[in-house]
Amino acid sequence: GENVEQHPSTLSVQEGDSAVIKCTYSDSASNYFPWYKQELGKRPQLIIDIRSNVGEKKDQRIAVTLNKTAKHFSLHITETQPEDSAVYFCAASLNPLSYGATNKLIFGTGTLLAVQP
Amino acid sequence: EPEVTQTPSHQVTQMGQEVILRCVPISNHLYFYWYRQILGQKVEFLVSFYNNEISEKSEIFDDQFSVERPDGSNFTLKIRSTKLEDSAMYFCASLSRTASTDTQYFGPGTRLTVL
Repeated sequence: GENVEQHPSTLSVQEGDSAVIKCTYSDSASNYFPWYKQELGKRPQLIIDIRSNVGEKKDQRIAVTLNKTAKHFSLHITETQPEDSAVYFCAASLNPLSYGATNKLIFGTGTLLAVQP
Repeated sequence: EPEVTQTPSHQVTQMGQEVILRCVPISNHLYFYWYRQILGQKVEFLVSFYNNEISEKSEIFDDQFSVERPDGSNFTLKIRSTKLEDSAMYFCASLSRTASTDTQYFGPGTRLTVL
């Protein structure tokens, strides 16, 4: 069945360093890949997403890269700050223009990012 | 900015009891979802709903679960006879499917505790 693997499960970095989280998906039909940030006890919040027709997308300190051939995508956070500390989830879903696609999100297992001041 | 809302924020129930979790999706959205997150684990898809019917459901969504959109604003998840393993955070999400975005917006969640 559909599956998304995410690594690492925990990541500790010093403030100002970069953080990279990697995900691999199993369903080759997937072509929408969002990243959600979840603070303790809060809802998942979308921070960036990418579609399969794009290889890279950047938004200020956050970037996502996608390798469709290898079926993996990564989140890059530069110049990390303590407020970046949270659990980050990658997800994959199917192109909404495909007939019958429901856009259900298949989530990875999460990465707990700790940014040390 | 419009948000998905959910009530209650926390529900405590006895095993075997029925619970109804309520969600108000963003008003112009057409696709609705329920997800579950057991403490410390990943978010898992339960069910998607469109045009007043279930469009897809996961293995978790067995006969004990049902969803309903009783009016133009609410979207509910009912668990008929709760089990201990139903204890989790339940998130509702909604989606406005356009050519430019596939973003699902999540509600704040309902923490269900089954004793």
